[in-house]
This record gives sequence, C-alpha cells and structure tokens, in this order.
Amino acid sequence: SQTIHQWPATLVQPVGSPLSLECTVEGTSNPNLYWYRQAAGRGLQLLFYSVGIGQISSEVPQNLSASRPQDRQFILSSKKLLLSDSGFYLCAWSVVVGAGVQETQYFGPGTRLLVL
Amino acid sequence: GNSVTQMEGPVTLSEEAFLTINCTYTATGYPSLFWYVQYPGEGLQLLLKATKADDKGSNKGFEATYRKETTSFHLEKGSVQVSDSAVYFCALSDSGGYQKVTFGIGTKLQVIP
Repeated sequence: SQTIHQWPATLVQPVGSPLSLECTVEGTSNPNLYWYRQAAGRGLQLLFYSVGIGQISSEVPQNLSASRPQDRQFILSSKKLLLSDSGFYLCAWSVVVGAGVQETQYFGPGTRLLVL
Repeated sequence: GNSVTQMEGPVTLSEEAFLTINCTYTATGYPSLFWYVQYPGEGLQLLLKATKADDKGSNKGFEATYRKETTSFHLEKGSVQVSDSAVYFCALSDSGGYQKVTFGIGTKLQVIP
C-alpha cells in the first residue's frame, strides 16, 4: 500500500532563516506531487505541483521554492523565511490513470511551521 | 476558473443530531467531487468521492450525492458523534495532466455530548 511521509512534524524558525521541508511517497511510481499551505483559519492554497523529476510548476508567486530530486521525493525550501510563511504545510500525491480521468489526491500528515 | 463554495461554520451540533454541510461548485467540464476531513492537528483524509453526475459517495455513515443540475455536493450524516468533530473540506478535481484540485474553505464541525 502507498504511504506518504512528511518531516519535520513541527518547526519553529526565526524570520530570515532558511527552510527545508521534505515529503516522500512509498508504494507508487511516478506520482504527481503537490505542496499546499493552510494558513490559520483559511482553506488550502496550492503552492507547487510536479508531474516528474525536475519538473516543478508554481501556482503563486512567493519566496518559497520546490524541488523534486527523485521520483518520490518532494522538497519545499526557502532561503529567508517571512512571518507570513507560518502555516500548516501539506504534501499530497496522486496517480494519473489516463487522459481526462481524475484521480484522488492523498495527503501526508503535514508540517506545522511557526516563523517568529 | 473553478471554485468551491461551502459554509465556513463553525457548526455546533449535539450528539445524534442530523448533519448537513452545503457545498456548491463552479467548473468547466465534468469534475470529480470529494469530501476530505481534517481532524485536529492532522493532515487531510479522503472521506468520500463521486466521479459523475448522480453518483453517491458514502463512508463512515456520511453521504453526498453529485447533483449536476444544482452543481452541488452536500455532505450529510444521520446521527453525528463527538468523534466526528473536525474540519470538512469540499473539493473538486478537474481533468488535466496534473489533476488540479480546488478546495473549499473548510467547515468546522463541533459535536457536543
């Protein structure tokens, strides 16, 4: 069966410090991968998605970046954190089963980031 | 573009009460529709889904029917429990190479004994 891991679970970082959040998926090959942010009291915002190694698309302009160095690894980074980067970061994966066929997204446990 | 509208809540119910959380959507084409649940401090879990008009998704006593004529996917449960307290997200997935999912804002449900 497929599983998705995220770490760390919780992170407290000072403003201006770098960030690296990691997400890995097991039990599937060539998944689509996604990074979402959930700010306090708000819905989910798609930040990045990837359909393959080295292929990253950004949905919103920001000081965050994403990378996919391996098929089942997705990393969210920042060189300098802002206060507004605080939130709950969720990684998700899905599998494409054919043209026009929508597949379910499955989410990891999330990383809670607090920038002080 | 696509959008999902749901009540923000919070919704407070007594145990064994009937639950309805409304969800309406705007989309081109024929999206799949989902309900996700987020328990406190956790990630999102898929609760149920429906992939075409008139389909009914169901799980753990929850149900939702894909109504294309009213562009709705309301979540219902006949008798809620304290353990159902969580945030519920309605979402739609459109066709495309990366299956972009559009989420509603989430509805917080609190069930009191």
